[in-house]
Amino acid sequence: DAMVIQNPRYQVTQFGKPVTLSCSQTLNHNVMYWYQQKSSQAPKLLFHYYDKDFNNEADTPDNFQSRRPNTSFCFLDIRSPGLGDAAMYLCATSRDYATGMNEQFFGPGTRLTVL
Amino acid sequence: AQTVTQSQPEMSVQEAETVTLSCTYDTSESDYYLFWYKQPPSRQMILVIRQEAYKQQNATENRFSVNFQKAAKSFSLKISDSQLGDAAMYFCAYRSYHSGSARQLTFGSGTQLTVLP
Repeated sequence: DAMVIQNPRYQVTQFGKPVTLSCSQTLNHNVMYWYQQKSSQAPKLLFHYYDKDFNNEADTPDNFQSRRPNTSFCFLDIRSPGLGDAAMYLCATSRDYATGMNEQFFGPGTRLTVL
Repeated sequence: AQTVTQSQPEMSVQEAETVTLSCTYDTSESDYYLFWYKQPPSRQMILVIRQEAYKQQNATENRFSVNFQKAAKSFSLKISDSQLGDAAMYFCAYRSYHSGSARQLTFGSGTQLTVLP
């Protein structure tokens, strides 16, 4: 089945130790998104790629970076995780956004714990 | 900027009964899209139903239907014949029709639905 896969599902890191979360998709979608979701809150968009075109949200901290080496894969790098970065990180894809009805398909998320 | 409000942090319903989750939004746009997403515990978020603002007819997907009131900026979700598998966090979301901001879904804070056997 075509899907959005996130690895690992659970990640524990230490305060200040860089961490990378990965997302892959078999849907061949042009757009890939990274969201941060803190406990009992709405997902918050961090950034997205349209193909290789990177789009950062204005309030995304510089501590967060992303890479998309090819259509299928996208990575979220947190350079120096702080306690406040502990959250669920959701990856999503959509075919494009030429029309707003384009559905976003979500992965299961990676739960990040910062010790 | 658009905002989406879900005023019910938690709801419960008896199995086989009907429940309505409320959502209101604020926008100055006339064309937009509205969505309900379901996020079960430890599983990925999935789309439940969607509505285009220019369509007056309310969307329906099997046991799920919406009551879209454009003038009131209200978009409630009705779940009929509730099942145990409906237990999840439900998010209402808004998306602009226009490009640029069309890239972003604006989510409400969610409603946690419990289904009682």
